[in-house]
Amino acid sequence: EIVMTQSPATLSVSPGERATLSCRASQGVSSNLAWYQQKPGQAPRLLIYDASTRATGIPARFSGSGSGTEFTLTMSSLQSEDSAVYYCQQYNNWLTFGGGTKVDIK
Amino acid sequence: EVQLLESGGGLVQPGESLRLSCAASGFTFSSYAMTWVRQAPGKGLEWVSTISGSGGSAYYADSVKGRFTFSRDNSKNTLFLQMNSLRAEDTAVYYCAKTYYDTLGYMDVWGKGTTVTVSS
Repeated sequence: EIVMTQSPATLSVSPGERATLSCRASQGVSSNLAWYQQKPGQAPRLLIYDASTRATGIPARFSGSGSGTEFTLTMSSLQSEDSAVYYCQQYNNWLTFGGGTKVDIK
Repeated sequence: EVQLLESGGGLVQPGESLRLSCAASGFTFSSYAMTWVRQAPGKGLEWVSTISGSGGSAYYADSVKGRFTFSRDNSKNTLFLQMNSLRAEDTAVYYCAKTYYDTLGYMDVWGKGTTVTVSS
C-alpha cells in the first residue's frame, strides 16, 4: 500500500497570505495525485487532479505541483472561506488518502 | 446537474448487516466507475471500494474485503453497498463519488454522505 503523508498537520495563516501544503508518497505515483478540500459538515470537493490541473470552477489561486513522491498545494490570497481540511489522494496504485492538513484563516 | 444521493445509513449492532444505496443523476451513469469513501468520526478519508461502469469489476480495501459487496444497477442509475459482519470500526460517514474515468482514479463529484453507526 502506498502511504501518503501530509504536512503540516495544521496551519494558521492570515487573510491575504499564501499557504503551502505538502504531500509525500511512500513510493512514486507519477502525476496521479489529486487534492480535495473539505469544510466542516460537508463532503470533499475536488480541487486539483493529475497533480497540477485545476478542477472545474476552482479559482486560479489554488495551484498544484510535483510528481513522483513530492507534491505541493499552494493557495494564495487566502480568504476566510478557505478554512478547511485539505487531503491529497494518489490513484497510481489503488487509492490512498493522506491524513489531511487543517488550514485556519484568521 | 450531476447529483449523488446516498441513503440507507443507520444504527446497527456489531455483526449485523446494512445496505447503502446511492442514486445518481445528471450524467451517463454506466460510463463511469463509482467509488465509496468513508470517514470515521473526527478522522480522515478512507477509500472503501470502486466499481467499474459495467459493474463487471469491483475493487475493495483490505479492511472491508470479504465483508462488503459493491454492485450497481445501470438501468436505475443506482449503486448498492452491501455491508455484512459490521464492526465498530466501520462506524463512519459513507460517501459515494463519481470517478472521472471508468477505472480507479480521482473523484470529481461527491454525495453528501450517509451515516453508519455500529454499536451495541
